[in-house]
Amino acid sequence: AQRVTQPEKLLSVFKGAPVELKCNYSYSGSPELFWYVQYSRQRLQLLLRHISRESIKGFTADLNKGETSFHLKKPFAQEEDSAMYYCALSWSGGFKTIFGAGTRLFVKA
Amino acid sequence: EAGVVQSPRYKIIEKKQPVAFWCNPISGHNTLYWYLQNLGQGPELLIRYENEEAVDDSQLPKDRFSAERLKGVDSTLKIQPAELGDSAVYLCASSLVARGNEQFFGPGTRLTVL
Repeated sequence: AQRVTQPEKLLSVFKGAPVELKCNYSYSGSPELFWYVQYSRQRLQLLLRHISRESIKGFTADLNKGETSFHLKKPFAQEEDSAMYYCALSWSGGFKTIFGAGTRLFVKA
Repeated sequence: EAGVVQSPRYKIIEKKQPVAFWCNPISGHNTLYWYLQNLGQGPELLIRYENEEAVDDSQLPKDRFSAERLKGVDSTLKIQPAELGDSAVYLCASSLVARGNEQFFGPGTRLTVL
């Protein structure tokens, strides 16, 4: 069965430190992977998707099919990065989507 | 643009009472989703509409939950009767088309069943 695992419920780092939010998935075909973010008192919104291969707000994520991972990385965390981050997996041409349980990132001053 | 609109934002009811949630998606978005989000969990799909057709309702508990999307625009999700375990945030999202597209989420409705 398809599954998305985010092993860390909470990740706390200091401002300026590198950050990596882990995401592992289970899917035997060609997945589409996304990172969604929810800032305090805001709605859930797309941060980035693997097919775009772009950097958003300094974040990047590389799809590693061998390790079935899609970890989110940023070299220098900022306080405004503090939020809830959800990894999502889509398949069947995008018609099916499941979300991980989320990781709360807290960036300390 | 207002984005996806949901109402009410908060609802408190007693168990066994009915409750309804309303969603207005972004104009022109054909695909509409209802998700359930329990505390400490990610969103879980309840039902997906393509225009007015419910194309994926496999996770919708049909004994007490129902949904409709008349005219392929607004949608209503209903629970009757509500149970204590239904306390959660109900999210509505829409996308231009389902295939590989970004989903735009509403603010959610927080339901508390006493």
